[in-house]
Amino acid sequence: DAGVIQSPRHEVTEMGQEVTLRCKPISGHNSLFWYRQTMMRGLELLIYFNNNVPIDDSGMPEDRFSAKMPNASFSTLKIQPSEPRDSAVYFCASSLPEAGSYEQYFGPGTRLTVT
Amino acid sequence: SQQGEEDPQALSIQEGENATMNCSYKTSINNLQWYRQNSGRGLVHLILIRSNEREKHSGRLRVTLDTSKKSSSLLITASRAADTASYFCATDDGNKLVFGAGTILRVKS
Repeated sequence: DAGVIQSPRHEVTEMGQEVTLRCKPISGHNSLFWYRQTMMRGLELLIYFNNNVPIDDSGMPEDRFSAKMPNASFSTLKIQPSEPRDSAVYFCASSLPEAGSYEQYFGPGTRLTVT
Repeated sequence: SQQGEEDPQALSIQEGENATMNCSYKTSINNLQWYRQNSGRGLVHLILIRSNEREKHSGRLRVTLDTSKKSSSLLITASRAADTASYFCATDDGNKLVFGAGTILRVKS
């Protein structure tokens, strides 16, 4: 298994541009999580999906952020327009809680820099 | 907001020594997990301990849980340079996890 796949690994963009981050969860996992990690705020949960349905998006900072999961093998996190304060590492993770396993498997992250 | 708070924030030890990290949390839990994050990488699950367990072992790792004090500890025995990483505790909130701020461990060879 390739694990959780994220792309791109690095993204540098200018303020005001649209940014789309992509995630492919582990095959068979039905829960998917988007996190943001910064030095100041640590690791924050932005949103999570269960069976492709958004369950909790209370961590999404504002309307500039949106996330979708059109099918079980793909999710996107979009920021539009981007701002310098969005600079962070964004992680995607997946799990299969129904199997009694609550551990989450993290992707390598996307390092976003907004100038 | 963070549920778990790790202590210490940073720890520096010599190879071969034991490393102990502590985690305190605020609300009741079903389980508590520990994760490791190497620099520039994603988090990796280390061990899960359920609320009805008091101690659990996995290789050189020993985790304890005291639900009355709402605290957990992670002990790494006979540390190696490769153990250098950040360590996070995470508590469950339904299907979500709430992570602490982490302990940065440096093992000097």
